[in-house]
Amino acid sequence: SAVISQKPSRDICQRGTSLTIQCQVDSQVTMMFWYRQQPGQSLTLIATANQGSEATYESGFVIDKFPISRPNLTFSTLTVSNMSPEDSSIYLCSVPDWATDTQYFGPGTRLTVL
Amino acid sequence: GNSVTQMEGPVTLSEEAFLTINCTYTATGYPSLFWYVQYPGEGLQLLLKATKADDKGSNKGFEATYRKETTSFHLEKGSVQVSDSAVYFCALSPRSGTASKLTFGTGTRLQVTL
Repeated sequence: SAVISQKPSRDICQRGTSLTIQCQVDSQVTMMFWYRQQPGQSLTLIATANQGSEATYESGFVIDKFPISRPNLTFSTLTVSNMSPEDSSIYLCSVPDWATDTQYFGPGTRLTVL
Repeated sequence: GNSVTQMEGPVTLSEEAFLTINCTYTATGYPSLFWYVQYPGEGLQLLLKATKADDKGSNKGFEATYRKETTSFHLEKGSVQVSDSAVYFCALSPRSGTASKLTFGTGTRLQVTL
């Protein structure tokens, strides 16, 4: 199974600022995913990050708000730009495990926007 | 589109009580079904899975049976422990080999007391 780490684990930010979240995987993976988990809600897929190409965003999410980088096969970043209190959520990255047909998740980044 | 519906929580049980968390789904074709668990302060972990009708997934005393006729995948455990306190998510992927397309339910919080 993949071991995934995220930084920071939590942060408190002021509205209008931006935060970059890092996701590191202990093995090379083609696809990485970014999810948002709003308070009391389920997980919503933000985008799929493929190495060497632009990220693919789900309906309701745009690159200007959530720019993603994928510089190599073990690392990705998600930036939450021009934050508002509505962006307060847990942000998780994950990678697929084709052998078990599921995903492994990082521990998440808990973001609070004041 | 695909969807997953879980019973609302929180569910509060005494230690050694029987647990059932209901999950039903809507999907075309033959989805794979999963239960994930999120312990306090941690990311999601795969608890169990089933990939075809009548399959039973099991792990750590938890079980769930893939019921195509009722489109359900209810989670059960015969005797819960305090350490089982967590949020449980039911999820599906539309078919085998599509680990990238998980749809999650809203999660059910379980609180087990002594």
